[in-house]
Amino acid sequence: ETGVTQSPTHLIKTRGQQVTLRCSSQSGHNTVSWYQQALGQGPQFIFQYYREEENGRGNFPPRFSGLQFPNYSSELNVNALELDDSALYLCASSTEGLAKFEQYFGPGTRLTVT
Amino acid sequence: AQSVTQLDSHVSVSEGTPVLLRCNYSSSYSPSLFWYVQHPNKGLQLLLKYTSAATLVKGINGFEAEFKKSETSFHLTKPSAHMSDAAEYFCVVGSSDSWGKLQFGAGTQVVVTP
Repeated sequence: ETGVTQSPTHLIKTRGQQVTLRCSSQSGHNTVSWYQQALGQGPQFIFQYYREEENGRGNFPPRFSGLQFPNYSSELNVNALELDDSALYLCASSTEGLAKFEQYFGPGTRLTVT
Repeated sequence: AQSVTQLDSHVSVSEGTPVLLRCNYSSSYSPSLFWYVQHPNKGLQLLLKYTSAATLVKGINGFEAEFKKSETSFHLTKPSAHMSDAAEYFCVVGSSDSWGKLQFGAGTQVVVTP
């Protein structure tokens, strides 16, 4: 069974640029959630994708957007990067229904905005 | 709305002594509660979960937690700490929405001394 993978591991961008982060879900999982973890804080929910549609969203501006593909992998896009976007971005995969909270996390992508 | 409060930001224990990490929750319904662990430069790993079955929940690596509705608490314990338990621990509540958003506490950093 393949776990959740994310790429790249680390990324350095300049303020105002755009970034795309990628996530491959665990085998058999059709739902992907994205979280932002700032240094010293707990992860904050960004949004969730289920069957290629955004299924729920946290308190993040529209410049945070995503996609889910037919193979259930997902992308997180952030436009017009700000310094405060520097964080660890975590992706988690799961299934729907009773198992919706059993989310398996990838190792994360560390984004630094300078 | 649901939320969790982790009462200690740092806990220091000696190897072989008990570990207690405190968590209080706020929820207008019967919550789903979790404890996750995050080792340095690693992703989040699920330790244990409570989903309205037995109030004493056993997890991996010797950890357990007790759901106490009257106290709105879900404290994590381990009888004997090991050096490998040094990590960040997050208490998490599942949202009442249909799409399984996880809401994380601020985290407790555990230090284990020899």
